[in-house]
Amino acid sequence: EVQLVESGGGLVQPGGSLRLSCAASGFTVSSNYMSWVRQAPGKGLEWVSVIYSGGSTYYADSVKGRFTISRDNSKNTLYLQMNSLRAEDTAVYYCARGVGWFGVFDYWGQGTLVTVSS
Amino acid sequence: SSELTQDPAVSVALGQTVRITCQGDSLRSYYASWYQQKPGQAPVLVIYGKNNRPSGIPDRFSGSSSGNTASLTITGAQAEDEADYYCNSRDSSGNLVVFGGGTKLTVL
Repeated sequence: EVQLVESGGGLVQPGGSLRLSCAASGFTVSSNYMSWVRQAPGKGLEWVSVIYSGGSTYYADSVKGRFTISRDNSKNTLYLQMNSLRAEDTAVYYCARGVGWFGVFDYWGQGTLVTVSS
Repeated sequence: SSELTQDPAVSVALGQTVRITCQGDSLRSYYASWYQQKPGQAPVLVIYGKNNRPSGIPDRFSGSSSGNTASLTITGAQAEDEADYYCNSRDSSGNLVVFGGGTKLTVL
């Protein structure tokens, strides 16, 4: 059974850093493309970043230069390192498994809440 | 990047058919995927590609596309279909993903 479990969210001050983790089971993260998608309170979904099986990475303009997506194949875990956090980064962050052509996400984690506030 | 536009809210009578649309230039090149999200839950993929349903998704859900518009149709809407629905697609560069703003579906 495919499962994705996020962790690492919490309260952080503006300008601070946080690292989110997404532990996968039932499949190998390095065999699929994996993404982070976020949802601000009461708002819609916003795609954040992707890492392809080959290791290429891409970012939404809103986080480029501040966030870094990575994975640890030995731990079958996806990460999102978030630096220089802003109030507008406050959101529930979901990790999602990609399948087929880019943009199709067939499994999602339950999400982890990141709150950026002083 | 490009944008995908959805109507903020749509309603349908129980058992009737409803179409939720998604417009954007990138849809001329790429298929949309559709996600259902209920309050407090993670999104669930309901339609992808030309008109594909993941295992477990009822066949009352279908997808179509024409020009710059993708559509999700629910034929015979049920009370449990009341949710937010989001479309997504690649952007015009092909390297990024964009989501529509979401449509809140109310089943009357």
